[in-house]
Formats: sequence, C-alpha cells, structure tokens
Amino acid sequence: DAGVTQSPTHLIKTRGQQVTLRCSPKSGHDTVSWYQQALGQGPQFIFQYYEEEERQRGNFPDRFSGHQFPNYSSELNVNALLLGDSALYLCASSFSYQPQHFGDGTRLSIL
Amino acid sequence: ELKVEQNPLFLSMQEGKNYTIYCNYSTTSDRLYWYRQDPGKSLESLFVLLSNGAVKQEGRLMASLDTKARLSTLHITAAVHDLSATYFCAVDRGGSEKLVFGKGTKLTVNP
Repeated sequence: DAGVTQSPTHLIKTRGQQVTLRCSPKSGHDTVSWYQQALGQGPQFIFQYYEEEERQRGNFPDRFSGHQFPNYSSELNVNALLLGDSALYLCASSFSYQPQHFGDGTRLSIL
Repeated sequence: ELKVEQNPLFLSMQEGKNYTIYCNYSTTSDRLYWYRQDPGKSLESLFVLLSNGAVKQEGRLMASLDTKARLSTLHITAAVHDLSATYFCAVDRGGSEKLVFGKGTKLTVNP
C-alpha cells in the first residue's frame, strides 16, 4: 500500500519563477494538506483541500495556490518565487479527520 | 491564535539517561501529536493523544497529555543513539486537521 507520494523530490528555481509541486495521497484518503517547513523550523500550514475545494487556509499570500483533482491528488503552485520560499514542502493526507500521513516532501531551493 | 511552544529546543544527553521534552499550547485543542523527523526526512508519527490523562508508550518513549494545564510531555527512558532526531509536537484545534507545530526539539544522544 503506497503512502503519500510527492514529486519532484528536489527542485531549484530562480527568483520570480513559478513552481508546481505534486502530491498523491495515501490510498483511501480524500483530504490533502500542504505545509511549508523552513530550515530549522516546524512545519507551517499552507492550505487544505477536500472535495476539490480549498477548505482551510493558513497565513500565506495569494502567490500560493492549489488544486485537488477528482482522484484526490493535489498540486501546490507558487508564483513570483522569493528567496524566502526556499523550504521543504510537505504534503499530508487523511480521511474523515483521522491522523494525517506525511509524504517525504519536496525540497525547493530558490537562487 | 493557537500557539505551541516546546522546550528545550536543543537537548544533548548521554546514552542511558532519562529526560523529558515539554510542549505547551495556548488554547483548548482536540488532539495532540508527537512526530519524529530525521535530517532531510519527512515526519514520522509517534503518538496521538486525544483526551486528558492520556498516556501512550512505545519502546523508550512515553507521551502524556494534561489538557487542563495545556501541557504534553515526551519522556525518554534510557536514551540510545538511535533516538537522535528532532521531535515535534503539534496541536489540532477542533478536529480541523490544521496542525500547528512547535519549533521542535533537536535531540542528540551521545555514547
């Protein structure tokens, strides 16, 4: 049973560019949450998707947007990248408010 | 706004010793989680604590929850080198699945 899978594992971009990160939830899960973890910090909640809609959002600017597809997979898009967007981006999936399962993350570096 | 504080942030201990990591949170919450993170890796779920007085143990780790004091502890018994990692507590308010994390405790166990 595959867990939460994220792609790519690593990504290097330059300031001003746009990036899309992808997440496939664990089988049977219908809710996907995204977190940003800066170096040496705890993860911070970006937003959560359920039934293809954004259900909750953390304190992140509109440059961060997302999408959930009918198969429950999800994308995180970040526009106009800033140096401060460099972080590990974690996807977590769950079902019916059960504990979340985290993927291995995408390491995004901005030059 | 829900805030989660952990202490200590850094902990260096010798093998065989005992120690406790503390996690305080600012408002009433439904669930408290403990996660382990190895360098460059994702989050591994250790414990989920749901109610006041809950205690869970796995190997050399034991977690407890006091909802009245808004405090959870992670107790390490007879530490071994393999326990070296960063430990995070996270709180979920109202079953929202929007996890708020502490800054983490970086544990180093020395031979």
